[in-house]
Amino acid sequence: KAGVTQTPRYLIKTRGQQVTLSCSPISGHRSVSWYQQTPGQGLQFLFEYFSETQRNKGNFPGRFSGRQFSNSRSEMNVSTLELGDSALYLCASSLFGQNTNYGYTFGSGTRLTVV
Amino acid sequence: DAKTTQPNSMESNEEEPVHLPCNHSTISGTDYIHWYRQLPSQGPEYVIHGLTSNVNNRMASLAIAEDRKSSTLILHRATLRDAAVYYCILRDNTGTASKLTFGTGTRLQVTL
Repeated sequence: KAGVTQTPRYLIKTRGQQVTLSCSPISGHRSVSWYQQTPGQGLQFLFEYFSETQRNKGNFPGRFSGRQFSNSRSEMNVSTLELGDSALYLCASSLFGQNTNYGYTFGSGTRLTVV
Repeated sequence: DAKTTQPNSMESNEEEPVHLPCNHSTISGTDYIHWYRQLPSQGPEYVIHGLTSNVNNRMASLAIAEDRKSSTLILHRATLRDAAVYYCILRDNTGTASKLTFGTGTRLQVTL
């Protein structure tokens, strides 16, 4: 079956712009989480959506937002981009998310560069 | 979230077993031990998880200490494709366990 698909794979944006990243989970998975990975901070949790509702949120400013559609696809948006937002953004899907008997399947990520 | 401690890096020869340790002295009774690995230029990949008993799957084995304060991920025969960063993560099975808290992980190098 198809894995987690993230688009685009690479993106270059200018400081102050906004960006929208997309994630299509594995078919049947209802939980979608987003993570930011940088060399300095490592992998950090952004937020998680389940059945179109944000269920958990990490410690990121309000410029970072997301949503989930009825088909479980998810988008995350970053407004007023800063140089420090340059990172690999990873999406992960899971059947239920909170159930610790299920693992997460990650996509290959979107590499965002802010110049 | 309870924290885990892992060595920064380890080396192994190909075809030999690898034992990746993880300390989690503050683990609670409701925490599951999960392992993920991240290969170069890819997202993390689920490897294995357990609660109290040792676990085996096609990728690896997980040995959990009797007091649960440490665990070891065992790769029975390392290959070059196993070179990755391995993360040991605790997940609470109560409340809002919908996130993974990654530490710095162990970078495994596999040589011929």
